[in-house]
Amino acid sequence: DAGITQSPRHKVTETGTPVTLRCHQTENHRYMYWYRQDPGHGLRLIHYSYGVKDTDKGEVSDGYSVSRSKTEDFLLTLESATSSQTSVYFCAVSTGTGGWETEAFFGQGTRLTVV
Amino acid sequence: GIQVEQSPPDLILQEGANSTLRCNFSDSVNNLQWFHQNPWGQLINLFYIPSGTKQNGRLSATTVATERYSLLYISSSQTTDSGVYFCAGGQGAQKLVFGQGTRLTINP
Repeated sequence: DAGITQSPRHKVTETGTPVTLRCHQTENHRYMYWYRQDPGHGLRLIHYSYGVKDTDKGEVSDGYSVSRSKTEDFLLTLESATSSQTSVYFCAVSTGTGGWETEAFFGQGTRLTVV
Repeated sequence: GIQVEQSPPDLILQEGANSTLRCNFSDSVNNLQWFHQNPWGQLINLFYIPSGTKQNGRLSATTVATERYSLLYISSSQTTDSGVYFCAGGQGAQKLVFGQGTRLTINP
């Protein structure tokens, strides 16, 4: 499972509040990713990181920010949660140094509900 | 960016049947993976297969990179094979893009 832990696993929050999801990995992988999964859309990339303090946007990055201050942790922040951000969020890592060209492994997911 | 299309979207079979799931991609890829999402939502890696053929027990996969498709074969299906199967492809520095998935239901 590439040593990935997501927290929390479930969260209910109110519209307008900030929320931070954490992805922690134990195997020193360079590349880390945040995806969201919604019915009818499959998994879509939100943000990714290719090293400490090196991050970039994915296809659905609006309303999200990320930070990676150390190799093992990749944080996803919803700056002001909206109902459209109700989703299941997955963190992933690439196990090789080549990033996108290497196998990705996923965490167990965080189910976020914005009410 | 690359587009990934999976077929069929839904498949219902009896236990013991064989099945073939297909993944087409719009451009060449250098990363192609198959995943199984179980009923608890966990994404399980099945194959990393940008080209060639691999087998793991009752499952096998073939990617024909020159023709831009990949196939996942499941033989002698079991009820535990139920769930959603995703393929995902990536090209060079571009991100891993997922298909919409095939929902497989195996009835006892």
